[in-house]
Amino acid sequence: EAQVTQNPRYLITVTGKKLTVTCSQNMNHEYMSWYRQDPGLGLRQIYYSMNVEVTDKGDVPEGYKVSRKEKRNFPLILESPSPNQTSLYFCASRRRGLVGTGELFFGEGSRLTVL
Amino acid sequence: KQEVTQIPAALSVPEGENLVLNCSFTDSAIYNLQWFRQDPGKGLTSLLLIQSSQREQTSGRLNASLDKSSGRSTLYIAASQPGDSATYLCAREYGNKLVFGAGTILRVKS
Repeated sequence: EAQVTQNPRYLITVTGKKLTVTCSQNMNHEYMSWYRQDPGLGLRQIYYSMNVEVTDKGDVPEGYKVSRKEKRNFPLILESPSPNQTSLYFCASRRRGLVGTGELFFGEGSRLTVL
Repeated sequence: KQEVTQIPAALSVPEGENLVLNCSFTDSAIYNLQWFRQDPGKGLTSLLLIQSSQREQTSGRLNASLDKSSGRSTLYIAASQPGDSATYLCAREYGNKLVFGAGTILRVKS
């Protein structure tokens, strides 16, 4: 089954404790992306990757890091989480890195709470 | 700043009604316009993707149109059903970035 898998689905942590949210897709997609969803603000793009070793900032990259060492994986790293990073996070992927191609497939989301 | 606005923010209709959800964007330069559905506690599911060279797409009871000159897209849902109840989001793509609207919360009453 074609899917985007995120882990963990739920996480409560404390300020400053580094954490990683993993994202893996089994569709051989080149393009992967991270979003956060907040009430009243909708979905905002954090980072995206057009292929292995190619990443770029979205609209709200501050406080986050990403890496793309393998095509299937695109982890989101919070080096020093803060309460304002409490949010619902989504990973997504689609085929090809060029514009105008492919619908976006989303993971189920990871709800993160930073105390 | 690229902005996407969805109207209405919420909509409640009786079962069987045809309805229209609206999406507008401030910059008519566009590559793709995509409509998604989000159920509570779930991720987003792609409904329709309209590429910049297209004017509309259809899937079952759903039809989405794109008017780049006016910066608008509409999602038409025919013969609505209670199972259509969800949040509907549109996203405008430019470059390799997507900008989402805040969504329309739809409730279809049986």
